[in-house]
Amino acid sequence: IVLTQSPATLSVSPGEAATLSCRASQTVRSHLAWYQQKPGQAPRLLIYDASNRATGIPARFSGSGSGTDFTLTISSLEPEDFAVYYCQHRNEWPLSFGGGTKVEI
Amino acid sequence: QVQLVESGGGVVQPGRSLRLSCAASGFTFKTYTMHWVRQAPGKGLEWVAAISYDGSNELYADSVKGRFDISRDNSKDTLYLQLNSLRAEETAVYYCARGTTNHYLDSWGQGTLVTVSS
Repeated sequence: IVLTQSPATLSVSPGEAATLSCRASQTVRSHLAWYQQKPGQAPRLLIYDASNRATGIPARFSGSGSGTDFTLTISSLEPEDFAVYYCQHRNEWPLSFGGGTKVEI
Repeated sequence: QVQLVESGGGVVQPGRSLRLSCAASGFTFKTYTMHWVRQAPGKGLEWVAAISYDGSNELYADSVKGRFDISRDNSKDTLYLQLNSLRAEETAVYYCARGTTNHYLDSWGQGTLVTVSS
């Protein structure tokens, strides 16, 4: 399963909303997660099963979608939210990640 | 707290082998599926392999099948990845990660860099 993320880069200002897209080459039902990765750090799980926030993740992060089209929304960007975001499916083996969206100032 | 610490990375020539380790602490290691994920410099994430909680099942990406071997020692709370016949394009940071019951990755180590170069 190929996951395509768009856009590759998203330029936004602090306080604005950001909408990131992930499209699957075939249905993954709701079996999709989102991760955040900051420079020099390991990824962090944000959202699982398309819309469930992981432990400790702020409410400004939300996920939606099912089937082949998914969205991660950050409602009001904080300075610490500027990072690269990846989607990942777990619908079947092998697992795979999207190519990432960089959210920059 | 959950801690995963990778080691064993370094510079290796093409065609040679390397074994990575991941020491786990802060959780009951023997009850979790564990994964390896890699990231080439400046690139995205690539899932590499997974092993079930008891080591009875192993899964691999097609790109490494037959060359890499994932294993674990639950008595030592340690995950391993044996990398054989390494290629230059496999230069990457290799992360170990804990899997949830639904195969998401909820805790990650800081990674170990493998450089394949002559």
